[in-house]
Amino acid sequence: QIVLSQSPAILSASPGEKVTMTCRASSSVSYMHWYQQKPGSSPKPWIYATSNLASGVPARFSGSGSGTSYSLTISRVEAEDAATYYCQQWSSNPRTFGGGTKLEIK
Amino acid sequence: EVQLVESGGGLVKPGGSLKLSCAASGFTFSSYAMSWVRQSPEKRLEWVAEISSGGSYTYYPDTVTGRFTISRDNAKNTLYLEMSSLRSEDTAMYYCARGQDSSGYDYWGQGTTLTVSS
Repeated sequence: QIVLSQSPAILSASPGEKVTMTCRASSSVSYMHWYQQKPGSSPKPWIYATSNLASGVPARFSGSGSGTSYSLTISRVEAEDAATYYCQQWSSNPRTFGGGTKLEIK
Repeated sequence: EVQLVESGGGLVKPGGSLKLSCAASGFTFSSYAMSWVRQSPEKRLEWVAEISSGGSYTYYPDTVTGRFTISRDNAKNTLYLEMSSLRSEDTAMYYCARGQDSSGYDYWGQGTTLTVSS
């Protein structure tokens, strides 16, 4: 199965800072999906097919990558962005998720 | 508005069985493949089952093959997950989700909790 490794596990940033989190796949995948999850809530679709923002996602978020390396970038972090972000691949069975990057706001 | 509402979770002894349900509304249920995704207490997400729109095709990871069965009733707009031979490692929040390869899981339910413990 394709293993997705997310780094860093915890990311601490100040409001206004630019942050990037990465997702590395053990084999090449066609594209990557990203989800945001806050405590007590279900995961929400956040970025689909590598670089497309889901409905309602602020434009300060962006996604990029190809092959085995993908990233999610926030141009200027805001307090409301505090959450855990998971990547997920659909290129092969089983569908797999990364372990998540927890974004903390200072 | 798309809604997915899971039910049926609970406390089950190891080796026991349980059936989860997911009531769908706000979209043409019979046109979409559906999945179950679980989240462990350690917050790890794991896909556990997928069924095609018409119900003819089902897919599972090795961790649940032979123990879990996904099914659907398109007339009732309801998705099911029948689980047997339950183990402690099956303890998780179980989410019903709509999705496809090009969009990922675009709608999720609120989840239902399964605890497997003696």
